[in-house]
Amino acid sequence: DGGITQSPKYLFRKEGQNVTLSCEQNLNHDAMYWYRQDPGQGLRLIYYSQIVNDFQKGDIAEGYSVSREKKESFPLTVTSAQKNPTAFYLCASRGGRNIQYFGAGTRLSVL
Amino acid sequence: SQQGEEDPQALSIQEGENATMNCSYKTSINNLQWYRQNSGRGLVHLILIRSNEREKHSGRLRVTLDTSKKSSSLLITASRAADTASYFCATVRSGNTPLVFGKGTRLSVIA
Repeated sequence: DGGITQSPKYLFRKEGQNVTLSCEQNLNHDAMYWYRQDPGQGLRLIYYSQIVNDFQKGDIAEGYSVSREKKESFPLTVTSAQKNPTAFYLCASRGGRNIQYFGAGTRLSVL
Repeated sequence: SQQGEEDPQALSIQEGENATMNCSYKTSINNLQWYRQNSGRGLVHLILIRSNEREKHSGRLRVTLDTSKKSSSLLITASRAADTASYFCATVRSGNTPLVFGKGTRLSVIA
């Protein structure tokens, strides 16, 4: 199956802990994105990467970090500096005409 | 920054009726896209309309774009219970710049 795979589906974070959300794609897309979605809200851009070994901050990058060592992978780390991490996290890649393809999401909660 | 604003925030209709959702935005755009999100899932691309287009159709979907008013509408005809979801507009300012999503309209279709 072609697409975006996010894991895990559910994740729990203890106070002071860093956690990493996985995002893998087999669509051969150059650009990948991380969004945060809070209840009743739209998607807010955390980080994006247009190409391997390069990434840019989005609108709400504070408390998050990313890496892009491989074309297929764009993991997101939620650091202990992110004081309100509870949210639904979505990863996407960009296809032609700037259409985005999304994974199924990871729901992060704080213990 | 969220540029698109959907209206209404929530809409409840009977199966077979038409559903209309509106999106307003603030700056000039290259194209506007509509996405659908089933509860707890990722977004799925529905339709794209370019800034030089006024109307597009795809199956039961009809999208209009009025660049002078900076607004778009999504019409779903003959709605079905399976159309129950949240619908988001997303704008692209130019080229491969990141999409900017609105807060979405929650559509409930009652059988």
